[in-house]
Amino acid sequence: SQTIHQWPATLVQPVGSPLSLECTVEGTSNPNLYWYRQAAGRGLQLLFYSVGIGQISSEVPQNLSASRPQDRQFILSSKKLLLSDSGFYLCAWSVSPGHSTGELFFGEGSRLTVL
Amino acid sequence: GQNIDQPTEMTATEGAIVQINCTYQTSGFNGLFWYQQHAGEAPTFLSYNVLDGLEEKGRFSSFLSRSKGYSYLLLKELQMKDSASYLCAPMDSNYQLIWGAGTKLIIKP
Repeated sequence: SQTIHQWPATLVQPVGSPLSLECTVEGTSNPNLYWYRQAAGRGLQLLFYSVGIGQISSEVPQNLSASRPQDRQFILSSKKLLLSDSGFYLCAWSVSPGHSTGELFFGEGSRLTVL
Repeated sequence: GQNIDQPTEMTATEGAIVQINCTYQTSGFNGLFWYQQHAGEAPTFLSYNVLDGLEEKGRFSSFLSRSKGYSYLLLKELQMKDSASYLCAPMDSNYQLIWGAGTKLIIKP
């Protein structure tokens, strides 16, 4: 069966510090991978998605970046965090469109507080 | 533009029935998803509709009308554990999910 894990679950970082959130998927190959952010009381905001190794699409211009060094690994990074980067970050995967309904499977989430 | 509209919050009684409505406007359409999200947790999949009509899955049912840009999620025999946010998410022509802010459902004894 397929599983998805992301870490760390919770982190508190000072403004200007770097960030690295990691996500891995097991039990499937060539998944579509996504990073979302959810601010309190708001909908999910798509930050990045990837359809393959080294292929990253950015939906929202900001000080975050994403990388996909391996097929089932997706990393969200920042060189210098801003207060506005605080939120609940979710990694997700799906099977490529045309092969399924496109259902998203989410990781456990990472709650980031920038002080 | 793309837009999702669903109530911010609803309250219902344990054992009762509640209907959560969602209207949407998207660039193209490839089906609509409903997800459940408990506080502090990741969303989990509830249902998917791509054709008009009602899909039933246990205590939960989801309805879609593509011509009206309208869907609802029906929850029967409400339990306290159903207290959560319910997210309506249509899929656009690029197979991307468009997310609403969700409806927070509060269940009272």
